[in-house]
Amino acid sequence: GAVVSQHPSWVICKSGTSVKIECRSLDFQATTMFWYRQFPKQSLMLMATSNEGSKATYEQGVEKDKFLINHASLTLSTLTVTSAHPEDSSFYICSARPYRGGTSSLQETQYFGPGTRLLVL
Amino acid sequence: GQQVMQIPQYQHVQEGEDFTTYCNSSTTLSNIQWYKQRPGGHPVFLIQLVKSGEVKKQKRLTFQFGEAKKNSSLHITATQTTDVGTYFCAGGDNFNKFYFGSGTKLNVKP
Repeated sequence: GAVVSQHPSWVICKSGTSVKIECRSLDFQATTMFWYRQFPKQSLMLMATSNEGSKATYEQGVEKDKFLINHASLTLSTLTVTSAHPEDSSFYICSARPYRGGTSSLQETQYFGPGTRLLVL
Repeated sequence: GQQVMQIPQYQHVQEGEDFTTYCNSSTTLSNIQWYKQRPGGHPVFLIQLVKSGEVKKQKRLTFQFGEAKKNSSLHITATQTTDVGTYFCAGGDNFNKFYFGSGTKLNVKP
């Protein structure tokens, strides 16, 4: 159980185009999903918290107009990198926290997707 | 924002030797999680610590959470080649957001 998928697994695009990445929780519902990016040989950096039915909250320094997040349902969040540039090339990983109903636990585990490698030429 | 420091950055050990990685937070944490990431893979959840001074064991792995809930450690006894990978800690704040440490890359020589 607790499987999270991401699509696509890798993408190559030209500079200036927009890229959409999907994050799905396959066997559980998730009111909250997180988006991270990871540069080669570096740690994961939290970009934003995606909340179902409301606006995402972005970490300091992350441009919300550049990285559009939509959490349309309890099993799907999307990250759109708008007008991508070579410096946006990275490994983007989402994670999802299961929805337990009622008051969510502050100690809930998050489950990671396999990641999406983006290369902008 | 919250900062989580992790040392060492790299560790090369001979198979059978012990290994320890340490995490230190600039603020008091709500909880801390540990992950392992193999090259080309995604982080895999290992464990979560919540209580001050908590110690948990998973076979050869021992996890500790400091009394002040600002530091944590992962100790592997008698490393094996299957332990190779990067180990990350992730500190949780009161809003259940997690901030990852810089990771420790472990290489085990057979």
